[in-house]
Amino acid sequence: QKEVEQDPGPLSVPEGAIVSLNCTYSNSAFQYFMWYRQYSRKGPELLMYTYSSGNKEDGRFTAQVDKSSKYISLFIRDSQPSDSATYLCAMSARGTSGGSYIPTFGRGTSLIVHP
Amino acid sequence: DTEVTQTPKHLVMGMTNKKSLKCEQHMGHRAMYWYKQKAKKPPELMFVYSYEKLSINESVPSRFSPECPNSSLLNLHLHALQPEDSALYLCASSLRTGLDTGELFFGEGSRLTVL
Repeated sequence: QKEVEQDPGPLSVPEGAIVSLNCTYSNSAFQYFMWYRQYSRKGPELLMYTYSSGNKEDGRFTAQVDKSSKYISLFIRDSQPSDSATYLCAMSARGTSGGSYIPTFGRGTSLIVHP
Repeated sequence: DTEVTQTPKHLVMGMTNKKSLKCEQHMGHRAMYWYKQKAKKPPELMFVYSYEKLSINESVPSRFSPECPNSSLLNLHLHALQPEDSALYLCASSLRTGLDTGELFFGEGSRLTVL
């Protein structure tokens, strides 16, 4: 079992839809949860960052963490064609030794928002 | 715009060539990373520098040689590469304090093609 599981998609939705992207994980030491957006042939861009369980909202984006279920989500409201990209979840454990702070990435979900 | 700058954006090299990839950040971050990313795959960690010292080498072949001349600069020297080394090479940085949370800031990448 991989440490972080993420469905690669593609996920195709019409413009204006609510998008739900998800990751599951197995390492209970993970405390920091991130979502990166990566456009084709570009580097990943940090989109959302969450510590521990709970919700965080930023404009049309909401990140949700459920540590008891080892499940994280990213919701995109009123999706736009410009949201079409690959969304990578990433998570890390707190600490300074052994590289535990280095994030483990999911494989990414390809999202296509069509007009 | 990303605050991590990578040059060149594109590089084509033969298997006998020697070339270098360069990365620069001016955010005061003390950890810098090299990742390799193949199409439709997540970034794969290669090296980590922490306070200008190499702290992690993910068993990368010696034909890849990293260098961190100072806290703002990171190089990746390439020599005798193979066609399968063709990929997007991503540089990233993070704050790297005692409470490092693993938030990475990526550059746009250098797309390498080995002929």
